[in-house]
Amino acid sequence: GQNIDQPTEMTATEGAIVQINCTYQTSGFNGLFWYQQHAGEAPTFLSYNVLDGLEEKGRFSSFLSRSKGYSYLLLKELQMKDSASYLCAVRDSNYQLIWGAGTKLIIKP
Amino acid sequence: SQTIHQWPATLVQPVGSPLSLECTVEGTSNPNLYWYRQAAGRGLQLLFYSVGIGQISSEVPQNLSASRPQDRQFILSSKKLLLSDSGFYLCAWSPFTPDVSYEQYFGPGTRLTVT
Repeated sequence: GQNIDQPTEMTATEGAIVQINCTYQTSGFNGLFWYQQHAGEAPTFLSYNVLDGLEEKGRFSSFLSRSKGYSYLLLKELQMKDSASYLCAVRDSNYQLIWGAGTKLIIKP
Repeated sequence: SQTIHQWPATLVQPVGSPLSLECTVEGTSNPNLYWYRQAAGRGLQLLFYSVGIGQISSEVPQNLSASRPQDRQFILSSKKLLLSDSGFYLCAWSPFTPDVSYEQYFGPGTRLTVT
């Protein structure tokens, strides 16, 4: 079957750095997405990786290793507004998104 | 620019009652459309997707159905709601071309509580 694993919850301190990991086992691979979802709101797109390596976008970076079935989202200079759930999703061979359950990130002052 | 609308924002319905949730997209043509459900603290579950008018693919067998009467309109329905249908329903769209890195864009969602 297809499976996406992420930690359920993480806690970090304002101003620090946090890394959220995602491992996947899917039928085929056509890209990996990270979304941010604030409580009660819809997910919003953060990043996309299809090739191995690091993609940087301001305070957020995403890394992919296809051979290991592994990705991480790195958030730097954490702000209180970064408190949210972070969803990892993989596009499979049928171009459908397989979603992880999300990682709830709690930022403390 | 493209926008996606969903209504209603919240809904409380008794068990056994019918359901109709509507989603419309503006500013694009022939989008792929999706209905997801998200239970509390869980990931997104794909319910239906559509690549064109009248073309609906169902991912999960259940008492829900979907229709696409117009290019940019996607409707989620049920004849008789179950308690287990409670959740956060999200409509999403993506550009039609399947072989590029287009992400999915989500509507604001409908929070359904079945009592």
